[in-house]
Amino acid sequence: KAGVTQTPRYLIKTRGQQVTLSCSPISGHRSVSWYQQTPGQGLQFLFEYFSETQRNKGNFPGRFSGRQFSNSRSEMNVSTLELGDSALYLCASSLNFGGGNTIYFGEGSWLTVV
Amino acid sequence: GQQLNQSPQSMFIQEGEDVSMNCTSSSIFNTWLWYKQDPGEGPVLLIALYKAGELTSNGRLTAQFGITRKDSFLNISASIPSDVGIYFCAGQTAAGNKLTFGGGTRVLVKP
Repeated sequence: KAGVTQTPRYLIKTRGQQVTLSCSPISGHRSVSWYQQTPGQGLQFLFEYFSETQRNKGNFPGRFSGRQFSNSRSEMNVSTLELGDSALYLCASSLNFGGGNTIYFGEGSWLTVV
Repeated sequence: GQQLNQSPQSMFIQEGEDVSMNCTSSSIFNTWLWYKQDPGEGPVLLIALYKAGELTSNGRLTAQFGITRKDSFLNISASIPSDVGIYFCAGQTAAGNKLTFGGGTRVLVKP
């Protein structure tokens, strides 16, 4: 069974640009969450999608957005990139929404903003 | 920022040693998860705990869900060189799949 797949793995963007990251969850999983990992702040929750609806949102500015498609694949977008957005962006999938689910992570997308 | 206090922040291991790390929280969680992250990779799930008091093993790893639901610990027995990496605890409430992470424990090999 394939794991959580994230693309692209590495990318470099210029300040002010926007970026879109893609995530394919484990087959059959319907919940997708996104996290930002930085050396200073650690792993922080961005948002969670289930059945194409955002169910939870972390404490990030509106420049960070996401969506989920009918096949459970998800994308996140960051607009007007800032230097501080440089981070590892991780996608996680689980079978269902609600507590008590086992959550699996992808390998992440490394974003560098210059 | 993080709400989970994970300790120690780093530790050195010698092959064959047992190591322990723990996480404490000011909030109650319904599920505790332990992950290992190697450089440049995403976190890999090691153990999931779903019930207060639960003690679960996965090979040389043992983890427990504290009875107060505010803490958890992870033990690694007879450590080997590939145990090097960063270990994270994560707590989950019943409100969704949002995870709150600890700051990580960096496990290094003694020179």
